Amino acid sequence: DADVTQTPRNRITKTGKRIMLECSQTKGHDRMYWYRQDPGLGLRLIYYSFDVKDINKGEISDGYSVSRQAQAKFSLSLESAIPNQTALYFCATSGGTVGNEQFFGPGTRLTVL
Amino acid sequence: GNSVTQTEGPVTLSEEAFLTINCTYTATGYPSLFWYVQYPGEGLQLLLKATKADDKGSNKGFEATYRKETTSFHLEKGSVQVSDSAVYFCALPGGTSYGKLTFGQGTILTVHP
Repeated sequence: DADVTQTPRNRITKTGKRIMLECSQTKGHDRMYWYRQDPGLGLRLIYYSFDVKDINKGEISDGYSVSRQAQAKFSLSLESAIPNQTALYFCATSGGTVGNEQFFGPGTRLTVL
Repeated sequence: GNSVTQTEGPVTLSEEAFLTINCTYTATGYPSLFWYVQYPGEGLQLLLKATKADDKGSNKGFEATYRKETTSFHLEKGSVQVSDSAVYFCALPGGTSYGKLTFGQGTILTVHP
């Protein structure tokens, strides 16, 4: 079984709808991240969480919110989706010390019409 | 904060050709450096890493050497295969946020038979 899972894998929605993307991990890591990937822009950090009570904004948090329901679960919400939020979204986890690698989920492809 | 610049793609090669994807970075101190690979339809996975200057990371025939003099971490492979077709990302810790990674924009590699 995959260590980091994301649901759904694909989602098409309409402008103005509320969307939640979910991430679960079995690696026992405290640190979790949400990124979005756009062609030619690499990955940009939306939010990150160092433990259940510690949530921080990343580079591009406007229009997004997150919830860390448990050590293993980190959800990303789009309260009112807009077309320029069409992207590939990745969840990642890490073990915590500087220089540790991050482990990525398979991604959620979101299309906002 | 830290930043990274890598070869703009796409890069197209014939099977068995030599591959170089350039990566240069700007950072405070001597952070760990990473190459991640994203195969079609999948999330990112760590390809190799180096944790200190002059270290060489290697995996699956790929190599990269941490050069502090030139602030570079170029990815090389002596003989690419069709199965190496993917997107490659250079990354390093963000610098301002403990555990965060900053990614380059990604280089698309296509290998033809």
